Amino acid sequence: DIQMTQSPSSVSASVGDRVTITCRASQGISSRLAWYQQKRGKAPKLLINAASTLQSGVPSRFSGSGSGTEFTLTISSLQPEDFATYYCQQTNSFPFTFGPGTKVDIK
Amino acid sequence: EVQLVESGGDLVQPGGSLRLPCVASGFRISSYWMTWVRQAPGKGLEWVANINQDGSQKNYADSVKGRFTISRDNAENSLYLQMNSLRAEDTAVYYCARVSLSDWGEDYWGQGTLVTVSS
Repeated sequence: DIQMTQSPSSVSASVGDRVTITCRASQGISSRLAWYQQKRGKAPKLLINAASTLQSGVPSRFSGSGSGTEFTLTISSLQPEDFATYYCQQTNSFPFTFGPGTKVDIK
Repeated sequence: EVQLVESGGDLVQPGGSLRLPCVASGFRISSYWMTWVRQAPGKGLEWVANINQDGSQKNYADSVKGRFTISRDNAENSLYLQMNSLRAEDTAVYYCARVSLSDWGEDYWGQGTLVTVSS
């Protein structure tokens, strides 16, 4: 199975900050990566798939990049509603696997 | 409006069984791959299983293979997860989700149902 890691595990940031989260796969997954946002007590929300395709309705301050084994999720200007936990997921080969998550909280 | 509603979560003893239904509305599941994902209390997301449109392809996480069975009834617009030989480590909120048509990734999720395995 493909193992996913994320860094950092948590980040404290202020409104307006630029935040970057890195996700790494244990083997190459092409561009088969999705990013999710999960707020406390809620179901996850798909932000990006195919490494960089922004889902309909997701603000343009979110962007994804990368291919192969290293990927990034960038929030260009953090907003109050962005404080949440973010997960990456490889969708290259079954079983699909998630990263351990990155918690973004208020500095 | 797309909706997914899971039910069936309960307290069950180790070694027991449980079946989780997920009823979809606002779309026809017959056009989509469907997925189950779980989340243990205070932990991250764990992909459990998925199934293709006609039920001929099923994939499972190693942690549940041989114990859990994913199935679907397209006529009833419903997805199911049969869980046998339950263990304490299966305790989690179980979400059903729809796979995006544009690429992999789950684009709609239910609210989840809690399964607790304990004596």
